[in-house]
Amino acid sequence: DSGVTQTPKHLITATGQRVTLRCSPRSGDLSVYWYQQSLDQGLQFLIQYYNGEERAKGNILERFSAQQFPDLHSELNLSSLELGDSALYFCASSVGYSGANVLTFGAGSRLTVL
Amino acid sequence: DAKTTQPTSMDCAEGRAANLPCNHSTISGNEYVYWYRQIHSQGPQYIIHGLKNNETNEMASLIITEDRKSSTLILPHATLRDTAVYYCIVRVAAAAGNKLTFGGGTRVLVKP
Repeated sequence: DSGVTQTPKHLITATGQRVTLRCSPRSGDLSVYWYQQSLDQGLQFLIQYYNGEERAKGNILERFSAQQFPDLHSELNLSSLELGDSALYFCASSVGYSGANVLTFGAGSRLTVL
Repeated sequence: DAKTTQPTSMDCAEGRAANLPCNHSTISGNEYVYWYRQIHSQGPQYIIHGLKNNETNEMASLIITEDRKSSTLILPHATLRDTAVYYCIVRVAAAAGNKLTFGGGTRVLVKP
């Protein structure tokens, strides 16, 4: 157990629907990162938050949004889902946001869009 | 972040040391070398990182060349559970751009 908790572990939904993935960071970690891993794309960085504020943005689609709440948990919202959104979504957390801070990853949420 | 080059795949024998090379010829002085691994769709697992000096922990050793243009991850006694994709990542030390950028990694198969 890495200490980063992601729910749900598995999610099956239909095209056009909206889902929310949740991440609880390790105790004491203020920074949260979201990554997407699909079969043909590898691990792609989506977005990073630090203490509630967005710090960095990657290749996140406009249909996707995220936020970090005052209790530091984060949610990734995926809307108007397409078949191509089927992927593993990983959350990671770190204490700070400098390059010296190790990222700890959760076990992931597997999204299947039918 | 500097780009890294790793072999696509490699095999190693159980119980032997596994030496995983990584080239990062465009690395800057303020960039760390990080190693992560991913075991079959599990979340990536941190192994080790370093800036200039060689590093060792309970999992592995990291050897960084003096010019910092390449490094080697050493798993001292590979086990079957070390079969995974290993990612070498160069990452800026500054506050901005803190994300990890994953490449293709090296697929390591430990054989009995």
